[in-house]
Amino acid sequence: DAKTTQPPSMDCAEGRAANLPCNHSTISGNEYVYWYRQIHSQGPQYIIHGLKNNETNEMASLIITEDRKSSTLILPHATLRDTAVYYCIATSNTGKLIFGQGTTLQVKP
Amino acid sequence: EAGVAQSPRYKIIEKRQSVAFWCNPISGHATLYWYQQILGQGPKLLIQFQNNGVVDDSQLPKDRFSAERLKGVDSTLKIQPAKLEDSAVYLCASRPVWAGYNEQFFGPGTRLTVL
Repeated sequence: DAKTTQPPSMDCAEGRAANLPCNHSTISGNEYVYWYRQIHSQGPQYIIHGLKNNETNEMASLIITEDRKSSTLILPHATLRDTAVYYCIATSNTGKLIFGQGTTLQVKP
Repeated sequence: EAGVAQSPRYKIIEKRQSVAFWCNPISGHATLYWYQQILGQGPKLLIQFQNNGVVDDSQLPKDRFSAERLKGVDSTLKIQPAKLEDSAVYLCASRPVWAGYNEQFFGPGTRLTVL
């Protein structure tokens, strides 16, 4: 599984868009980019995944660069409940989830 | 739909004691995972079951950790004897075999403190 690199922490103002970057320069052709988040004292929660096209669901949008070496998770209107650790994982649809240390997003009022 | 259930939520033991954690996955989910999450780190996969068979236990410290899923439904993870470095949150997750993508559903975890 490809290694991912994320900034350790980010802040965002409530109501603004939160843009969380992830580098995955060694991602292979069959690996997807997955995003999970972990709110304090809870288990991780799936957010979104993508292969090469941009994806959007009710929680977030995922923008993947054309060379697939990096991606950005976008929370369009961050709320205080979005404060969490966000994990970017490159893996296949049946592969292991290998969690790094993720990005701690603090949404501030 | 009920989520993944885990018990107990908290456990404090002395080193060299034994401890067991229980997980009941979402109904119908054939794949079950146990993860260990040390404070400040991301979860680390310990073992993966498909029904009652082990798919991957390469990261399970087999000298002290054991896990079973005898009837292919709920699962138990045991540590015997515990060490100080086993202090962590133990997370259980499940996934339906028919899922076309890698969405795992996690339980709330069991926080273990070894003194």
